Amino acid sequence: DTGVSQNPRHKITKRGQNVTFRCDPISEHNRLYWYRQTLGQGPEFLTYFQNEAQLEKSRLLSDRFSAERPKGSFSTLEIQRTEQGDSAMYLCAAINQGNTEAFFGQGTRLTVV
Amino acid sequence: AQSVSQHNHHVILSEAASLELGCNYSYGGTVNLFWYVQYPGQHLQLLLKYFSGDPLVKGIKGFEAEFIKSKFSFNLRKPSVQWSDTAEYFCAVREYGNKLVFGAGTILRVKS
Repeated sequence: DTGVSQNPRHKITKRGQNVTFRCDPISEHNRLYWYRQTLGQGPEFLTYFQNEAQLEKSRLLSDRFSAERPKGSFSTLEIQRTEQGDSAMYLCAAINQGNTEAFFGQGTRLTVV
Repeated sequence: AQSVSQHNHHVILSEAASLELGCNYSYGGTVNLFWYVQYPGQHLQLLLKYFSGDPLVKGIKGFEAEFIKSKFSFNLRKPSVQWSDTAEYFCAVREYGNKLVFGAGTILRVKS
């Protein structure tokens, strides 16, 4: 158990629908990261938060993507008007202050049909 | 920005064979390097990491990796693999803000 849980584990949606994923790290994890992993590739960085502040967004994060971390605890990643190219595994990772090891959740697998 | 290349996408070995998975990163300076493993249906787990000091790093489950600065490499090794080592292995380098840049991964299948 990494202390990072993600929900849902799987999501199938129709193209054009909005989806939201949630990540819950344990309270000591002040930095939270979102990555996307497609078939045959390693995880790619999307965005990260330090507490509630979103500090960086990748160019991969189009305008249809938005992430929040209210109160510096759980985080949500929303994709609006989903496209088939959004089909991927979305991973959340968290790090303690002063630590360097990232703990990953099991991910949310999104399939857009 | 850094990039990471892993030399083999699929590796098939018999039990007790020795393993070496290649990893190269794109540019030098101070680097923090990691190997992660993902067993089927499970989350990414840290195998080992290198920050500084002894370039030969030992990790969990008998894995080790050698940092060779002149070659921009951080290859993963295990003297004798087991069936339970079947998994996907990712090399990663840390960037500013503790972001990780991953390679494409190597799928290892160990035949019993």
